Amino acid sequence: GDSVTQMEGPVTLSEEAFLTINCTYTATGYPSLFWYVQYPGEGLQLLLKATKADDKGSNKGFEATYRKETTSFHLEKGSVQVSDSAVYFCALSDRGGNYQLIWGAGTKLIIKP
Amino acid sequence: NAGVTQTPKFQVLKTGQSMTLQCAQDMNHNSMYWYRQDPGMGLRLIYYSASEGTTDKGEVPNGYNVSRLNKREFSLRLESAAPSQTSVYFCASSAGAETQYFGPGTRLLVL
Repeated sequence: GDSVTQMEGPVTLSEEAFLTINCTYTATGYPSLFWYVQYPGEGLQLLLKATKADDKGSNKGFEATYRKETTSFHLEKGSVQVSDSAVYFCALSDRGGNYQLIWGAGTKLIIKP
Repeated sequence: NAGVTQTPKFQVLKTGQSMTLQCAQDMNHNSMYWYRQDPGMGLRLIYYSASEGTTDKGEVPNGYNVSRLNKREFSLRLESAAPSQTSVYFCASSAGAETQYFGPGTRLLVL
């Protein structure tokens, strides 16, 4: 079945460092891909998404490109801030008709001042 | 625009007690979902409702029941709570076109 694999955390970086969080997937067909973010004590919120190969999703300085050839959707940010500390989830859509999302396990990001 | 709301925010139960978690959305979405989140396990789908009047099991449905009361409301019931159901529960909704919108969560502790 479809699955999503994320790099394990926690990932600890200093402020202004470059961020990459790896996400790879296996899927039949052509899923949409998502990054969600969960700040401490809150629910998840959509960070960005891409719906077809070579699409780039971007928001709040974060970017991710849908790479069909490597089945990847890595999250990047050029200069992280303390306020980016959160848990990041990669997900893909199940287009089988019920619109379920298949979730990665989440990667905790800690940014130190 | 409240989005997705959940009640209660926090609950403590004793083993064997029952309770209902409430969820409502004001975005006119057709689809609604219940997840649980446990440390190191990510999100696991309990039940979902693709449209008003329908419900289906997700990955971990045992010990839970759901009711899609109307288009806005989707409740999750624990008939006889067990310590293994200690978790954070999230409700979400979508227009069916993939992006899901989440509530703030209910933290449940079963003693």
